[in-house]
Amino acid sequence: DAGVTQSPTHLIKTRGQHVTLRCSPISGHKSVSWYQQVLGQGPQFIFQYYEKEERGRGNFPDRFSARQFPNYSSELNVNALLLGDSALYLCASSLGRRVSNQPQHFGDGTRLSIL
Amino acid sequence: AQSVTQLDSQVPVFEEAPVELRCNYSSSVSVYLFWYVQYPNQGLQLLLKYLSGSTLVKGINGFEAEFNKSQTSFHLRKPSVHISDTAEYFCAVTTGGATNKLIFGTGTLLAVQP
Repeated sequence: DAGVTQSPTHLIKTRGQHVTLRCSPISGHKSVSWYQQVLGQGPQFIFQYYEKEERGRGNFPDRFSARQFPNYSSELNVNALLLGDSALYLCASSLGRRVSNQPQHFGDGTRLSIL
Repeated sequence: AQSVTQLDSQVPVFEEAPVELRCNYSSSVSVYLFWYVQYPNQGLQLLLKYLSGSTLVKGINGFEAEFNKSQTSFHLRKPSVHISDTAEYFCAVTTGGATNKLIFGTGTLLAVQP
């Protein structure tokens, strides 16, 4: 079975542009979470979507938005890119909503570089 | 609020030696604890988790961790490491209820030398 897939794997943008990152969860998983991992740090929670609704939001500005589609795939959008947005963006999927008892499966991430 | 502290940013160790990676957490409520491993240019893979019950948890690849509530710790151990264990290791915490996010530590690079 395919794991969590993310596209693209690498992306280079300039300041002020916007970007869309995509995630396909494991088949049957209804929850998708997004994390930002800046070089040298642990992942930071951005969003969780479950059954196409936002169920959690981290401490990120409104430039960050996401959505989940009927097939449970998800997009993360970032507007007005800043140099500080350079990071590895990870998507994780799980069967249910609660991360406390549902193991999260991570994709390999999208490496976003802002010039 | 919950937080996780990984005291060592890097742990060098020789192959076949034992290793312990330290993790301390802070929370005013009951917690669920996890260890993830990240190999270069890859995502995170779950090594083991503590939800409840026995405080000694066994995971994949020969790793184990012990939950110590009084010391608020969840240290990861392996009795004999291999070159292939070289990777970044992250400790993470979450709570029950409506919280649906993992809070990660800053990571520990395990560098296994021949």
